[in-house]
Amino acid sequence: DTGVSQDPRHKITKRGQNVTFRCDPISEHNRLYWYRQTLGQGPEFLTYFQNEAQLEKSRLLSDRFSAERPKGSFSTLEIQRTEQGDSAMYLCASSLDTSSYNEQFFGPGTRLTVL
Amino acid sequence: AQSVTQLDSHVSVSEGTPVLLRCNYSSSYSPSLFWYVQHPNKGLQLLLKYTSAATLVKGINGFEAEFKKSETSFHLTKPSAHMSDAAEYFCAYFYSSASKIIFGSGTRLSIRP
Repeated sequence: DTGVSQDPRHKITKRGQNVTFRCDPISEHNRLYWYRQTLGQGPEFLTYFQNEAQLEKSRLLSDRFSAERPKGSFSTLEIQRTEQGDSAMYLCASSLDTSSYNEQFFGPGTRLTVL
Repeated sequence: AQSVTQLDSHVSVSEGTPVLLRCNYSSSYSPSLFWYVQHPNKGLQLLLKYTSAATLVKGINGFEAEFKKSETSFHLTKPSAHMSDAAEYFCAYFYSSASKIIFGSGTRLSIRP
Protein backbone atom coordinates (compact mmCIF):
# COMPACT_ATOMS: atom_id res chain seq x y z
CA ASP A 1 0.00 0.00 0.00
CA THR A 2 1.52 3.32 -1.04
CA GLY A 3 -0.88 5.61 0.80
CA VAL A 4 -0.21 7.90 3.74
CA SER A 5 0.70 5.97 6.87
CA GLN A 6 0.67 7.09 10.49
CA ASP A 7 2.18 5.57 13.57
CA PRO A 8 1.01 4.73 16.15
CA ARG A 9 -2.68 4.28 15.39
CA HIS A 10 -3.62 4.66 19.04
CA LYS A 11 -1.83 6.26 21.96
CA ILE A 12 -2.95 6.42 25.57
CA THR A 13 -0.92 8.61 27.86
CA LYS A 14 -1.14 10.28 31.23
CA ARG A 15 -1.54 14.02 31.60
CA GLY A 16 1.81 15.77 31.60
CA GLN A 17 3.63 13.20 29.47
CA ASN A 18 5.14 13.94 26.06
CA VAL A 19 4.00 12.10 22.95
CA THR A 20 5.31 11.94 19.41
CA PHE A 21 3.47 10.85 16.27
CA ARG A 22 4.92 9.97 12.90
CA CYS A 23 3.52 10.45 9.41
CA ASP A 24 4.90 8.96 6.20
CA PRO A 25 3.43 10.69 3.15
CA ILE A 26 3.02 9.32 -0.35
CA SER A 27 6.58 9.18 -1.62
CA GLU A 28 6.49 11.77 -4.41
CA HIS A 29 4.36 14.28 -2.47
CA ASN A 30 6.19 17.42 -1.40
CA ARG A 31 3.42 18.88 0.80
CA LEU A 32 2.47 17.43 4.15
CA TYR A 33 -0.35 18.57 6.44
CA TRP A 34 -1.42 17.95 10.01
CA TYR A 35 -5.03 18.22 11.14
CA ARG A 36 -6.76 17.55 14.46
CA GLN A 37 -10.24 16.07 14.75
CA THR A 38 -12.16 16.04 18.01
CA LEU A 39 -15.23 13.92 18.60
CA GLY A 40 -18.24 15.08 16.60
CA GLN A 41 -16.31 17.72 14.70
CA GLY A 42 -14.63 18.05 11.34
CA PRO A 43 -10.84 18.08 11.07
CA GLU A 44 -9.11 21.38 11.90
CA PHE A 45 -5.93 22.48 10.18
CA LEU A 46 -2.81 22.61 12.37
CA THR A 47 0.16 23.13 10.07
CA TYR A 48 1.72 22.24 6.73
CA PHE A 49 5.12 21.73 5.18
CA GLN A 50 6.41 22.19 1.70
CA ASN A 51 9.41 19.90 1.56
CA GLU A 52 11.18 20.58 4.88
CA ALA A 53 9.88 24.13 5.33
CA GLN A 54 6.98 24.73 7.69
CA LEU A 55 4.93 27.36 5.87
CA GLU A 56 1.77 27.80 7.88
CA LYS A 57 0.80 27.26 11.52
CA SER A 58 -2.66 27.52 13.00
CA ARG A 59 -3.32 29.41 16.20
CA LEU A 60 -4.52 26.03 17.49
CA LEU A 61 -0.88 24.97 17.57
CA SER A 62 0.18 26.09 21.03
CA ASP A 63 3.77 26.28 22.27
CA ARG A 64 3.44 22.70 23.51
CA PHE A 65 3.10 21.45 19.95
CA SER A 66 5.99 21.14 17.52
CA ALA A 67 6.13 19.59 14.09
CA GLU A 68 9.14 18.75 11.98
CA ARG A 69 9.88 17.36 8.58
CA PRO A 70 13.68 17.23 8.66
CA LYS A 71 14.44 15.72 5.27
CA GLY A 72 11.30 16.62 3.44
CA SER A 73 9.96 13.09 3.71
CA PHE A 74 8.34 11.83 6.94
CA SER A 75 7.09 14.23 9.60
CA THR A 76 6.72 14.09 13.36
CA LEU A 77 4.26 15.91 15.59
CA GLU A 78 5.26 16.20 19.25
CA ILE A 79 3.00 17.31 22.06
CA GLN A 80 4.73 18.22 25.31
CA ARG A 81 3.07 18.17 28.72
CA THR A 82 -0.13 16.70 27.35
CA GLU A 83 -3.48 17.90 28.66
CA GLN A 84 -6.85 16.18 28.58
CA GLY A 85 -7.98 18.67 25.96
CA ASP A 86 -5.36 17.28 23.60
CA SER A 87 -7.36 14.07 23.29
CA ALA A 88 -8.30 13.86 19.62
CA MET A 89 -7.59 12.14 16.33
CA TYR A 90 -4.49 13.57 14.66
CA LEU A 91 -4.64 13.28 10.89
CA CYS A 92 -1.83 13.61 8.39
CA ALA A 93 -2.30 14.31 4.70
CA SER A 94 -0.01 14.80 1.73
CA SER A 95 -0.29 16.32 -1.72
CA LEU A 96 1.78 17.15 -4.76
CA ASP A 97 2.23 20.89 -5.04
CA THR A 98 1.17 22.72 -8.17
CA SER A 99 -0.22 26.18 -8.71
CA SER A 100 -3.80 24.97 -8.28
CA TYR A 101 -5.54 22.70 -5.86
CA ASN A 102 -4.24 19.18 -5.60
CA GLU A 103 -6.04 16.47 -3.71
CA GLN A 104 -4.84 15.93 -0.19
CA PHE A 105 -4.61 12.23 0.62
CA PHE A 106 -5.29 11.44 4.25
CA GLY A 107 -3.80 8.81 6.50
CA PRO A 108 -5.85 6.73 8.97
CA GLY A 109 -4.95 8.99 11.87
CA THR A 110 -3.49 8.59 15.35
CA ARG A 111 -6.05 8.57 18.13
CA LEU A 112 -4.67 10.17 21.29
CA THR A 113 -6.30 9.66 24.67
CA VAL A 114 -4.94 11.68 27.58
CA LEU A 115 -5.97 10.34 30.97
CA ALA B 1 -14.44 34.75 6.24
CA GLN B 2 -14.49 31.53 4.28
CA SER B 3 -16.48 28.72 5.86
CA VAL B 4 -18.80 25.81 5.23
CA THR B 5 -21.92 24.89 7.20
CA GLN B 6 -23.45 21.46 7.17
CA LEU B 7 -27.10 21.85 7.94
CA ASP B 8 -27.78 18.39 9.39
CA SER B 9 -25.70 16.57 11.97
CA HIS B 10 -27.48 13.28 11.30
CA VAL B 11 -29.47 11.97 8.34
CA SER B 12 -31.22 8.60 8.28
CA VAL B 13 -32.67 7.06 5.11
CA SER B 14 -33.92 3.66 4.07
CA GLU B 15 -31.83 1.51 1.77
CA GLY B 16 -32.74 2.19 -1.86
CA THR B 17 -34.11 5.70 -1.22
CA PRO B 18 -32.41 8.99 -2.22
CA VAL B 19 -29.79 10.68 -0.08
CA LEU B 20 -29.48 14.45 0.39
CA LEU B 21 -26.73 15.93 2.57
CA ARG B 22 -26.82 19.71 2.73
CA CYS B 23 -23.90 22.13 2.73
CA ASN B 24 -23.80 25.92 2.47
CA TYR B 25 -20.62 27.89 1.98
CA SER B 26 -19.44 31.40 2.62
CA SER B 27 -16.72 32.83 0.40
CA SER B 28 -15.63 36.13 -1.07
CA TYR B 29 -14.07 34.35 -4.01
CA SER B 30 -14.91 31.58 -6.41
CA PRO B 31 -14.59 28.62 -4.08
CA SER B 32 -13.08 25.17 -4.42
CA LEU B 33 -15.45 22.83 -2.60
CA PHE B 34 -15.25 19.16 -1.72
CA TRP B 35 -17.10 16.33 -0.12
CA TYR B 36 -15.17 13.75 1.90
CA VAL B 37 -16.38 10.53 3.48
CA GLN B 38 -14.99 8.96 6.63
CA HIS B 39 -15.76 5.37 7.51
CA PRO B 40 -15.03 4.20 11.07
CA ASN B 41 -11.32 3.62 11.68
CA LYS B 42 -10.45 4.69 8.16
CA GLY B 43 -8.96 7.82 6.66
CA LEU B 44 -10.86 10.56 4.91
CA GLN B 45 -11.61 9.77 1.28
CA LEU B 46 -12.42 12.37 -1.35
CA LEU B 47 -15.85 11.79 -2.91
CA LEU B 48 -15.86 14.68 -5.34
CA LYS B 49 -14.61 18.22 -5.90
CA TYR B 50 -15.81 21.43 -7.51
CA THR B 51 -13.14 23.77 -8.90
CA SER B 52 -15.15 26.23 -11.08
CA ALA B 53 -15.72 23.93 -14.04
CA ALA B 54 -19.07 22.14 -14.46
CA THR B 55 -21.56 23.00 -11.72
CA LEU B 56 -22.80 19.41 -11.51
CA VAL B 57 -19.99 17.27 -10.22
CA LYS B 58 -20.01 13.50 -10.30
CA GLY B 59 -18.02 11.56 -7.77
CA ILE B 60 -17.31 8.04 -6.71
CA ASN B 61 -19.87 5.45 -5.58
CA GLY B 62 -22.74 7.15 -7.40
CA PHE B 63 -22.59 10.43 -5.47
CA GLU B 64 -22.92 13.82 -7.11
CA ALA B 65 -23.15 17.43 -5.99
CA GLU B 66 -24.42 20.62 -7.57
CA PHE B 67 -22.76 23.98 -7.04
CA LYS B 68 -25.39 26.73 -6.84
CA LYS B 69 -23.84 30.16 -6.54
CA SER B 70 -27.20 31.92 -6.11
CA GLU B 71 -27.95 29.76 -3.08
CA THR B 72 -24.33 29.42 -1.89
CA SER B 73 -24.96 25.70 -1.65
CA PHE B 74 -23.12 22.50 -2.55
CA HIS B 75 -25.49 19.69 -1.57
CA LEU B 76 -24.49 16.03 -1.94
CA THR B 77 -26.96 13.58 -3.43
CA LYS B 78 -27.25 9.94 -4.38
CA PRO B 79 -30.30 8.43 -6.09
CA SER B 80 -30.34 5.19 -4.14
CA ALA B 81 -28.71 4.58 -0.78
CA HIS B 82 -26.74 1.43 -0.05
CA MET B 83 -25.92 0.01 3.34
CA SER B 84 -22.22 0.60 2.66
CA ASP B 85 -22.88 4.36 2.41
CA ALA B 86 -23.30 4.59 6.18
CA ALA B 87 -20.48 6.88 7.30
CA GLU B 88 -19.60 10.45 8.29
CA TYR B 89 -19.60 12.97 5.44
CA PHE B 90 -17.74 16.27 5.46
CA CYS B 91 -18.24 19.26 3.20
CA ALA B 92 -15.02 21.22 2.84
CA TYR B 93 -13.58 24.41 1.39
CA PHE B 94 -10.07 24.80 0.03
CA TYR B 95 -8.48 27.98 1.35
CA SER B 96 -5.86 28.41 -1.36
CA SER B 97 -3.83 31.26 0.14
CA ALA B 98 -2.98 29.07 3.14
CA SER B 99 -3.13 25.77 1.27
CA LYS B 100 -5.48 24.31 3.88
CA ILE B 101 -8.88 22.65 3.86
CA ILE B 102 -11.63 24.02 6.07
CA PHE B 103 -14.07 21.27 7.01
CA GLY B 104 -17.68 21.45 8.08
CA SER B 105 -18.76 19.76 11.29
CA GLY B 106 -19.93 16.64 9.48
CA THR B 107 -23.17 14.76 8.78
CA ARG B 108 -23.58 11.21 9.99
CA LEU B 109 -25.49 9.16 7.43
CA SER B 110 -27.37 6.12 8.69
CA ILE B 111 -29.02 3.60 6.37
CA ARG B 112 -32.07 1.63 7.53
CA PRO B 113 -32.54 -1.86 6.08
